[in-house]
Amino acid sequence: DGGITQSPKYLFRKEGQNVTLSCEQNLNHDAMYWYRQDPGQGLRLIYYSQIVNDFQKGDIAEGYSVSREKKESFPLTVTSAQKNPTAFYLCASSSALAGVQETQYFGPGTRLLVL
Amino acid sequence: AQSVTQLDSHVSVSEGTPVLLRCNYSSSYSPSLFWYVQHPNKGLQLLLKYTSAATLVKGINGFEAEFKKSETSFHLTKPSAHMSDAAEYFCVVRTDTGRRALTFGSGTRLQVQP
Repeated sequence: DGGITQSPKYLFRKEGQNVTLSCEQNLNHDAMYWYRQDPGQGLRLIYYSQIVNDFQKGDIAEGYSVSREKKESFPLTVTSAQKNPTAFYLCASSSALAGVQETQYFGPGTRLLVL
Repeated sequence: AQSVTQLDSHVSVSEGTPVLLRCNYSSSYSPSLFWYVQHPNKGLQLLLKYTSAATLVKGINGFEAEFKKSETSFHLTKPSAHMSDAAEYFCVVRTDTGRRALTFGSGTRLQVQP
């Protein structure tokens, strides 16, 4: 059963705490992405990775960190420096070989709430 | 630079009537354009995409969209709305540059009245 999985579905963070959101894909995709969604808004890019061991900042990277040690995994850490972390976080992946036909496929999302 | 404007934040239709969700884009390069749908607390599902082939694109669930370069538009339509179509719809643009990330519109919430 191919696809993208994100865990947990809901995550609670205490003040000053770092939390890590998991994203795993078994689609053999090279590229992976993290987006943040706030109520009534579209998605904004946090970080992306086009290949293992390489990643780039997106439009709103401050307060976040990522790693890409394996092709299938792209975890996102929300650090204590992120002052407004409450949001819906979506992970996506795509095949670099698809060229103009490239499509991003999304996971089910993780909702992060601050206690 | 690229951007997407969804002209309506909310659209309400009656079941069985046509749906029109409007989208205008701006792009310095030849764009790829997508429509995604999101049901509450779910991830995004691809409805359809335009990648410089036919200008009229057919997608899943009876949706289609027409790419009009002269109007820089990519409006989403469906002849007859179903209750299950109620969701948030996002128009998305990607330009074929080194960064392959997407630029999202702010979304249109579609309500379907019985």
